[in-house]
Amino acid sequence: GAVVSQHPSRVICKSGTSVKIECRSLDFQATTMFWYRQFPKQSLMLMATSNEGSKATYEQGVEKDKFLINHASLTLSTLTVTSAHPEDSSFYICSARRDTEETQYFGPGTRLLVL
Amino acid sequence: AQTVTQSQPEMSVQEAETVTLSCTYDTSESNYYLFWYKQPPSRQMILVIRQEAYKQQNATENRFSVNFQKAAKSFSLKISDSQLGDTAMYFCAFKLSPNQGGKLIFGQGTELSVKP
Repeated sequence: GAVVSQHPSRVICKSGTSVKIECRSLDFQATTMFWYRQFPKQSLMLMATSNEGSKATYEQGVEKDKFLINHASLTLSTLTVTSAHPEDSSFYICSARRDTEETQYFGPGTRLLVL
Repeated sequence: AQTVTQSQPEMSVQEAETVTLSCTYDTSESNYYLFWYKQPPSRQMILVIRQEAYKQQNATENRFSVNFQKAAKSFSLKISDSQLGDTAMYFCAFKLSPNQGGKLIFGQGTELSVKP
């Protein structure tokens, strides 16, 4: 158990367009999901904590109007990169936490390339 | 604020041998959780092992074991009988409980290469 999926696995878009990334917990319910960004050869940087039925909590320095997060159900959170620019190109990873434990389970990541 | 430090950016080991990855952390809290995650070239983050701070016994998962030294704030990972599939980036992570603002805080990572 504890499988998390992400879709799409990679996306290429033009500058100025918006991109939506989905994160799903496939075999458990997750009140809380997390969105991370990772640059090559670097650690994961937490962008925001997504809470089902309420607003996301963003980390300092992360633009909430640029990275829109919606956690509409106990198994789905979405991250929308609005008006994407080349500097938004990165690897985005989500994770989900079972309500009954502390471990976070990670999705396979989404590689975003903005041209 | 909590911090996690992995002082070995890169390590290598011969297949079938044992290697230890180091991790230290800083916190003033007494209850917390520690994790080792593996990120192979596919970039999928995989949980290797976890440890609750209130448990004195070191966690083990098959070939993976930890040396948890709470007073020294040290949490090293030992990989026995290293296999080629163990080649990956390894991240140590620290987490408080949710009611303490339980965000997962990662170290910088150690890139492990297992050589045939």
